Amino acid sequence: EDQVTQSPEALRLQEGESSSLNCSYTVSGLRGLFWYRQDPGKGPEFLFTLYSAGEEKEKERLKATLTKKESFLHITAPKPEDSATYLCAVRAGGGNKLTFGTGTQLKVEL
Amino acid sequence: DTGVSQDPRHKITKRGQNVTFRCDPISEHNRLYWYRQTLGQGPEFLTYFQNEAQLEKSRLLSDRFSAERPKGSFSTLEIQRTEQGDSAMYLCASSLGSTETQYFGPGTRLLVL
Repeated sequence: EDQVTQSPEALRLQEGESSSLNCSYTVSGLRGLFWYRQDPGKGPEFLFTLYSAGEEKEKERLKATLTKKESFLHITAPKPEDSATYLCAVRAGGGNKLTFGTGTQLKVEL
Repeated sequence: DTGVSQDPRHKITKRGQNVTFRCDPISEHNRLYWYRQTLGQGPEFLTYFQNEAQLEKSRLLSDRFSAERPKGSFSTLEIQRTEQGDSAMYLCASSLGSTETQYFGPGTRLLVL
């Protein structure tokens, strides 16, 4: 069974204080690793898809990287508007479903 | 805006009642997914459709749950004889083809009293 573990569960940063969120996974035949952002009471918002080890994607202050066992979401000089829950998900094997982790709740303070 | 839409956004019902939710995917997206999310957890897969065919169902989808996508466009998710444990956010997502990104709607928050 596919497993996704995210750490830390919660992270509090000062504005401008860079950090990384971790997503480790155990799957049989990775077909994509996805990062989403979720604001309270809303649906997940797509950020990145990574397909193979060594791949990197960037968007504004966010950069996602992938190895054979884990993915990192690096946040550079975060702002309060980056506060949200960040979800990691995998698609594996022959299925089409996404298996999600429990998320990292990020709060960025002034 | 042409994103995924869901209706209603909130639903409060009494235990034992039936409820139905609707999802309208992004136009031209042939795949539609339903997930359930409880507080502090990530979304959990329930079922998915390719066009009008329901191709996969999770073990989470008990006999009280049924989903349809009659014309390959919008989808409905019905829960019969609701239980307090059904209280959750029900999320719909759509994608174009099997390898494309799944885009989520705003969700329907269900509270069963």
